Amino acid sequence: QSALTQPPSASGSPGQSVTISCTGTSSDVGGYNYVSWYQEHPGKAPKLMIYEVSKRPSGVPDRFSGSKSGNTASLTVSGLQAEDEADYYCSSYAGSNNPWVFGGGTKVTVL
Amino acid sequence: QVQLVQSGAEVKKPGASVKVSCKVSGYTLTELSMHWVRQAPGKGLEWMGGFDPEDGETIYAQKFQGRVTMTEDTSTDTAYMELSSLRSEDTALYYCATDMTMIDAFDIWGQGTMVTVSS
Repeated sequence: QSALTQPPSASGSPGQSVTISCTGTSSDVGGYNYVSWYQEHPGKAPKLMIYEVSKRPSGVPDRFSGSKSGNTASLTVSGLQAEDEADYYCSSYAGSNNPWVFGGGTKVTVL
Repeated sequence: QVQLVQSGAEVKKPGASVKVSCKVSGYTLTELSMHWVRQAPGKGLEWMGGFDPEDGETIYAQKFQGRVTMTEDTSTDTAYMELSSLRSEDTALYYCATDMTMIDAFDIWGQGTMVTVSS
């Protein structure tokens, strides 16, 4: 069982938006602004898409955005494209004893 | 540009140990904080441990304490992760990953090393 809770799947048609939630506790998501999101295509290593809740690394399209409210973080993919079909994982800093926790992943399907 | 290149796939028997390597190029290992993340087949990502630059020590996830050892050879810019007392549940893809740009997230990943534990 993963420390952070994500829905197992989400879907949308090309051009639409999809939002993925990531629920933790006040000891991780709610306690720090160090939530990140990773995209994983089959057979590939994870790729960082969002860090510090809402910041995008260089090269990540602005169709990807992140936010947080309380103990729940969210990733929104706007203007869905075929190449966005992948697994998405959230992660959060959780304190010095056990610093990094991940969600169980959400499979995004572009219909 | 920094790259992390990991060692090849391993097959081990239950009770054995495995040592996975992660060679850094484009940077020196001392400039990076290396972490290890694993992914069991069909499962999510799981942080195993990594270097904490604030106190200069390696921290291990409680789940793996006593079974995992992470080391570095700065002369070859290679990081290692050794997992002992292997069991079938340790069958997974093991990644090294680092926070190169110091943004409290893993922005560079190795290609992964598949470790299969089977009798």
